[in-house]
Amino acid sequence: GAVVSQHPSRVICKSGTSVKIECRSLDFQATTMFWYRQFPKQSLMLMATSNEGSKATYEQGVEKDKFLINHASLTLSTLTVTSAHPEDSSFYICSAQPGQGYNEQFFGPGTRLTVL
Amino acid sequence: AQSVTQPDIHITVSEGASLELRCNYSYGATPYLFWYVQSPGQGLQLLLKYFSGDTLVQGIKGFEAEFKRSQSSFNLRKPSVHWSDAAEYFCAVGPSGTYKYIFGTGTRLKVLA
Repeated sequence: GAVVSQHPSRVICKSGTSVKIECRSLDFQATTMFWYRQFPKQSLMLMATSNEGSKATYEQGVEKDKFLINHASLTLSTLTVTSAHPEDSSFYICSAQPGQGYNEQFFGPGTRLTVL
Repeated sequence: AQSVTQPDIHITVSEGASLELRCNYSYGATPYLFWYVQSPGQGLQLLLKYFSGDTLVQGIKGFEAEFKRSQSSFNLRKPSVHWSDAAEYFCAVGPSGTYKYIFGTGTRLKVLA
């Protein structure tokens, strides 16, 4: 159980376009979802925390207008990279947390974004 | 401030040798502790976790970790490494009362045949 999927697994886009990445909890309801960014050979950096039905909370230094997060339902969160540029190229990983007080996150397989 | 330190950026061991990956944390109370493994281009796989109770935790793939409160450590061990264990290993802390994880910088494991 506790499976999280991401779609797409890889995406290549042109500079200036927007890209949407989906994160789904397949067999549980996720009150909270997290979005991380990982640069090559580096650790995961938390970008934002989203709760179903409310606005995402962004970490310091993350541009909320650049990285739009929508947690529309208890099983789906989306990250939209708007007007993408080559420096946005990265590995994006989402995670989902079931319910309040459940202090464990389940991670998706990640999405590799390449902006040309 | 809360933090997680993985002192070893790279570790190389021979296949069949024992392994210990270090993790130290800084936190005022006992946090929730996790070890994850990441293969190249892949997501994170949970190896084991510690919330409370027995301080020696068994995980998947033959890994174990020991929580030592006095040393603020949660080191990962494996008695005999297999070539397929070559990957990046991340220690993470989930402070109780929040939902955020703090990740260490990772240790890249190389296994020699």
